[in-house]
Order: sequence, then structure tokens, then C-alpha cells
Amino acid sequence: DVKVTQSSRYLVKRTGEKVFLECVQDMDHENMFWYRQDPGLGLRLIYFSYDVKMKEKGDIPEGYSVSREKKERFSLILESASTNQTSMYLCASRPSGRGYTFGSGTRLTVV
Amino acid sequence: GDSVTQMEGPVTLSEEACLTINCTYTATGYPSLFWYVQYPGEGLQLLLKATKADDKGSNKGFEATYRKETTSFHLEKGSVQVSDSAVYFCALRPGGNNRLAFGKGNQVVVIP
Repeated sequence: DVKVTQSSRYLVKRTGEKVFLECVQDMDHENMFWYRQDPGLGLRLIYFSYDVKMKEKGDIPEGYSVSREKKERFSLILESASTNQTSMYLCASRPSGRGYTFGSGTRLTVV
Repeated sequence: GDSVTQMEGPVTLSEEACLTINCTYTATGYPSLFWYVQYPGEGLQLLLKATKADDKGSNKGFEATYRKETTSFHLEKGSVQVSDSAVYFCALRPGGNNRLAFGKGNQVVVIP
């Protein structure tokens, strides 16, 4: 089975901190995605990447950046965390022409 | 743009009751349609999918039919169990596109 692993299940960070959320997949998938999930809003796409060093903005990229230096790892970066970035963050990967596999999520609280 | 609309509000029902969750979509071209399920404390799992009009996706007793004439993909199950308690998301992927667009999700609670 494909595995998408998010490094932390729960994180608590302070306002203004730089935060890194890590996602690793083990099946050589080209495409990787970061979503945030909020009650009543569903999942919203932040950024995605279709190859190493390639990235595209999703629907809500403001306040975030990403890094994909290796194919298996896709990092989401909050340059200066704010309380409105408290959320559940979900990573997903997908090979071309196939379905998505999601990680278990990271619940981030910014205080 | 492409979007998915799910019925408002949580759904609470008794074990063995029938479940229907409505999903309608707006898209250009011929999208693929999906239902994902999120059990408590977990990520999303693909429940079923349909890639063209009149296709029926099915899995674990759940079914959904891709209806192009009504732009709908309603999820149904004839007899729910307590273990079906979860959040259900309808999603679409436009043809030739890499991105999934999700509905807001519906919390389903099944009471013994």
C-alpha cells in the first residue's frame, strides 16, 4: 500500500514562529498536494507540486510557501504563523492518471 | 469555476436506516467524481468514484451514480451501521486537470 506520512499529528506553535509541516510518500508519485481542512469549509487547496522543484498555487496560498527538493518529500512552510492558520493540514500524493492517497493530517494550533 | 455543493448540516440517523447525502457539481467538460470518507482522527480515504456519465461507483454498501443531466452524484446506503459514522466529502476532478475540488463535507452520526 502507498503510504503518505505526515511528520506530526499535533503541533502547537506561537504567533510569529516559522513552522514546517513535512510530508513524505513512498511510491515515487509525481504529484503532491497540501490542503487545509476547516469546519464548514471543507478542504481547500493551498499548494501543489507536479515534480521536483515545481510548485503551483492553489486556492488559498497566502501566508504559505512550499518546498520540494526531493520527489518523496513536500514541505509546507508558514513563514510567520498566525492564529488564523490554526487548522487541520492534510497532505496527499498522486501518480499521473491514478487516485489520491491522503496522509492522516497534522492538527496545528497557533497560540 | 468548478465547484461541488453538498447538502447543509450534519446527518444523524439510527442504525439500519437509509442514508442519502446530496451532492451537486458545476464543471466545464467531463469531470471525474468522487466520494471520500474521513473516520475520526484519520485522513481521507477514497470511498468510491465514477469517471463518466451514468457510471455507478460502489463500495462497502455505498453507491453513487454520475448523473450528467442533473449534475449530481448523491451518495446512498440502504442500511447504515454505527461504524459508518464519519465525515463524507464529495469531490470532483476536472478532465485533464490534476486538482480535486471538495464540497464542505457532511458529518454522519449513526446511533445504535
